[in-house]
Amino acid sequence: ETGVTQSPTHLIKTRGQQVTLRCSSQSGHNTVSWYQQALGQGPQFIFQYYREEENGRGNFPPRFSGLQFPNYSSELNVNALELDDSALYLCASSFDRFYGYTFGSGTRLTVV
Amino acid sequence: DQQVKQNSPSLSVQEGRISILNCDYTNSMFDYFLWYKKYPAEGPTFLISISSIKDKNEDGRFTVFLNKSAKHLSLHIVPSQPGDSAVYFCAASGGNSGGSNYKLTFGKGTLLTVNP
Repeated sequence: ETGVTQSPTHLIKTRGQQVTLRCSSQSGHNTVSWYQQALGQGPQFIFQYYREEENGRGNFPPRFSGLQFPNYSSELNVNALELDDSALYLCASSFDRFYGYTFGSGTRLTVV
Repeated sequence: DQQVKQNSPSLSVQEGRISILNCDYTNSMFDYFLWYKKYPAEGPTFLISISSIKDKNEDGRFTVFLNKSAKHLSLHIVPSQPGDSAVYFCAASGGNSGGSNYKLTFGKGTLLTVNP
């Protein structure tokens, strides 16, 4: 059973650029969520996809968008990067919320 | 508005003793609570969970207690081991409809250090 894998592990971007982060869900999981973890904070919910449709969103602006593919892998896209977007971005997959969520190791994004 | 609070940023205990990590929440609609452990450069790892219909759940050295009237939960680790040293996050879900029920609301975490 494979876990959740994220790529890339580290990324440096310039303010104003766009970035795409990728996530492969754990086998058998049909729901993927994305979280942003700033330094010294807990992860903050960005949004969630179930069967290729967004079905939950946190307090993040529209420049944060995503996709889920038929194989349940996912992308997080961030447009017009700002310095405050610098954070660890975590992907989590699940089958049912009572069966736990498996997190990937994250992508460390630095915006300069 | 921080709905899940971990008021102790850090905790230090001796190996073999009990570690108690605390968490408070404000949203009475939360119905499922989880504890995650996180090492540097790794994603959070699920430890243990509890449904709001229970007041205790145990898994090996880890026990979670839930006091719904006080909106408080705690994680007990007995005996503590040096390998338990990590950041522990309390998280809660529920209180929403449909897919938003999956949303996890996290506390800021508590850094546990277990000294040999």
